[in-house]
Amino acid sequence: DAGITQSPRHKVTETGTPVTLRCHQTENHRYMYWYRQDPGHGLRLIHYSYGVKDTDKGEVSDGYSVSRSKTEDFLLTLESATSSQTSVYFCATTDSTDTQYFGPGTRLTVL
Amino acid sequence: SQKIEQNSEALNIQEGKTATLTCNYTNYSPAYLQWYRQDPGRGPVFLLLIRENEKEKRKERLKVTFDTTLKQSLFHITASQPADSATYLCALKVSGYALNFGKGTSLLVTP
Repeated sequence: DAGITQSPRHKVTETGTPVTLRCHQTENHRYMYWYRQDPGHGLRLIHYSYGVKDTDKGEVSDGYSVSRSKTEDFLLTLESATSSQTSVYFCATTDSTDTQYFGPGTRLTVL
Repeated sequence: SQKIEQNSEALNIQEGKTATLTCNYTNYSPAYLQWYRQDPGRGPVFLLLIRENEKEKRKERLKVTFDTTLKQSLFHITASQPADSATYLCALKVSGYALNFGKGTSLLVTP
């Protein structure tokens, strides 16, 4: 997984609670991404970052926010979780050859 | 709207045969196209990248073609093995730094 860890790996939470997922990389890659993967939809980009404090929205950003205060950490926050945000979340980074490396994923269930 | 289409039906082939997976796209002018492999419960893993000015690329038993006129990429696995069983994703670079992924095609190689 090219030095990418995600925490937690599994989480069950209730509707309306805030949730933060963490992505940590050891490769010093500039670009980082959060995707969600759902049956029938494939991987969809939520937010991405092109440097510390530089972030932008992806295809499915509503209900999510991100922060990147250090090169190695990229946080995804669900301010008020909804059942539609039950999914598997993947963090990824890109190296200088445009190869994307993915973390192991976080399985989130919102009841 | 931009669309990436991969065979939604699983591809079942016999060990030793060549597997061919298709990726078609519309309303894109990609600088390159990538293929990833994803095993159940894990993040995607990069396999190959082919640029718009390249017709074909090979890596061991893998071969990718890219036809920008037909807007299609073909992904071949020669001498397939049961260990090649996985879901294969194609991805196109969009403006900025992110990738758009197809939904993937599941490949099952039987002995």
